[in-house]
Amino acid sequence: EPEVTQTPSHQVTQMGQEVILRCVPISNHLYFYWYRQILGQKVEFLVSFYNNEISEKSEIFDDQFSVERPDGSNFTLKIRSTKLEDSAMYFCASSARTRIPQHFGDGTRLSIL
Amino acid sequence: GNSVTQMEGPVTLSEEAFLTINCTYTATGYPSLFWYVQYPGEGLQLLLKATKADDKGSNKGFEATYRKETTSFHLEKGSVQVSDSAVYFCALSIRSNDYKLSFGAGTTVTVRA
Repeated sequence: EPEVTQTPSHQVTQMGQEVILRCVPISNHLYFYWYRQILGQKVEFLVSFYNNEISEKSEIFDDQFSVERPDGSNFTLKIRSTKLEDSAMYFCASSARTRIPQHFGDGTRLSIL
Repeated sequence: GNSVTQMEGPVTLSEEAFLTINCTYTATGYPSLFWYVQYPGEGLQLLLKATKADDKGSNKGFEATYRKETTSFHLEKGSVQVSDSAVYFCALSIRSNDYKLSFGAGTTVTVRA
């Protein structure tokens, strides 16, 4: 069965550094998403992306965050200058034209020191 | 706004016991409802879904019925196994909110042999 794949599985970064989280969505999917889960808290929506544009973003997704689909397969989340509070599990998801359901990757655990 | 309230855990059961995890929702409109499961060390996997009132989602012996009158989507399994130990998340998505998922807090279930 097709899968969403995320790399790396764990990223450790110094505060203030830039980090790029990578995702390969399911190949025929059209809608792409990032969510995050801070330890002990709910899974939160960050951003959705369609047709090479952000379609919706949450309040969390400020100017430090950006997303890109640099080629036909990858979907990336960049955090420009990381803060301690960016430490979380970041999940990528994708969905087909029908929009539901969303299929998730295994996540990237981001640790900011 | 849209939100999901889920039974708090952790829940510890013996093998072959009956499992219920309560989930209620608040939504402006007609959401689709989901249960996702996260096994230890893995990502979020779709367990089951229901897209309209009175639909029953089922998978791997788990069931949940979309109850519009009580705004609920409780997860049940008649006889749990050790391999069902995981974190279970109730979630909703709705067209008017660009289908982004709103998650409950998650319920940790541990099944003992």
